[in-house]
Amino acid sequence: GESVGLHLPTLSVQEGDNSIINCAYSNSASDYFIWYKQESGKGPQFIIDIRSNMDKRQGQRVTVLLNKTVKHLSLQIAATQPGDSAVYFCAENIMGNQFYFGTGTSLTVIP
Amino acid sequence: DTAVSQTPKYLVTQMGNDKSIKCEQNLGHDTMYWYKQDSKKFLKIMFSYNNKELIINETVPNRFSPKSPDKAHLNLHINSLELGDSAVYFCASSQDLIVQASHPNYGYTFGSGTRLTVV
Repeated sequence: GESVGLHLPTLSVQEGDNSIINCAYSNSASDYFIWYKQESGKGPQFIIDIRSNMDKRQGQRVTVLLNKTVKHLSLQIAATQPGDSAVYFCAENIMGNQFYFGTGTSLTVIP
Repeated sequence: DTAVSQTPKYLVTQMGNDKSIKCEQNLGHDTMYWYKQDSKKFLKIMFSYNNKELIINETVPNRFSPKSPDKAHLNLHINSLELGDSAVYFCASSQDLIVQASHPNYGYTFGSGTRLTVV
């Protein structure tokens, strides 16, 4: 399968600070990406997506940046809250086929 | 009303036993999946079904057999359970097998997982 990796397996941030979670993907043909959030005891949930024809996409308190040159994705969470504590995954999709998930990053928000 | 529901949530069983995990989705999606999540949280696809037909069968021991009686259900049967089968198994569904460019938020809807412990 494809390899989608993350630079940091764990990340701790103070409540109110911004969080940045990074993801490297391996296939330059990947054309669609999704960030998922997995809370303890639950399945992954869709947060935000981005297509390869975009560099940036913003949602509510979240922004995804895509750098195709270096095959890198990042998820930025503004004003991190305790409820943001979870494992975050990036997933890549190639030509409309199945998604490949990276190893998650565990985000802990310190009150 | 849960969109993708799996049962049981927890399953503890002895080596060598045979067990099944059930999954149902009420989203009207055409495609369903089984994923395995290991202790390091890595998610790996096992199977994909589209309209009851097997589409993806990754390198999974043949002790694992998916069954889809209809497109709303995808069950996973595991024979001769081994210690290494201990993991969390997630069922997921998506509207289509192929990502549609017109869909604004295409993705998978996951169930809450089944934690399988083989002792």
